[in-house]
Amino acid sequence: GNSVTQMEGPVTLSEEAFLTINCTYTATGYPSLFWYVQYPGEGLQLLLKATKADDKGSNKGFEATYRKETTSFHLEKGSVQVSDSAVYFCALSGAGSYQLTFGKGTKLSVIP
Amino acid sequence: KAGVTQTPRYLIKTRGQQVTLSCSPISGHRSVSWYQQTPGQGLQFLFEYFSETQRNKGNFPGRFSGRQFSNSRSEMNVSTLELGDSALYLCASSGKDWNTEAFFGQGTRLTVV
Repeated sequence: GNSVTQMEGPVTLSEEAFLTINCTYTATGYPSLFWYVQYPGEGLQLLLKATKADDKGSNKGFEATYRKETTSFHLEKGSVQVSDSAVYFCALSGAGSYQLTFGKGTKLSVIP
Repeated sequence: KAGVTQTPRYLIKTRGQQVTLSCSPISGHRSVSWYQQTPGQGLQFLFEYFSETQRNKGNFPGRFSGRQFSNSRSEMNVSTLELGDSALYLCASSGKDWNTEAFFGQGTRLTVV
């Protein structure tokens, strides 16, 4: 079956530091890949997505590239802000399915 | 447009009772999925409905059930509650394309005592 593995953290960074959260996946066929973010007390919000190999998703300074050869979708941001503190989830959906398979989540704390 | 609405937001139930959670998707969305979120297991898929039909079901016991109505609203039911059912239950709705964004509600926090 499908699975997603991501670094679990927690990750603590100073403001303006560089962020990388690693995500690798196992899936048959050609899944779509997503990063979702969850702020305290909230549901999940889509941060970015990529639907085919070599696609780069980007939003709010965050980026991730769909790498089929390494089955990876690492999340990066060049300069984090305190407001980026949240839990980040890597996820995939298999071809033709609405079902999302999530990683365990990575809690990010950014300190001033 | 209005987002995904889940009711109630918080619920406290006693072991052995049953509970029904409700989800109203974004207008026009026909797919509704349910997830259980716990600190230990993370986000786990419960079931997915599309146009009133259950298309996928996760690895949960038969105590967990759901349905979807003709207006796309969905309910999930948990019978004979156990302490381990305490979790945040999240509902997500999606538009017509499977690889588009899933919009999540704020969830129902269920506590079983």
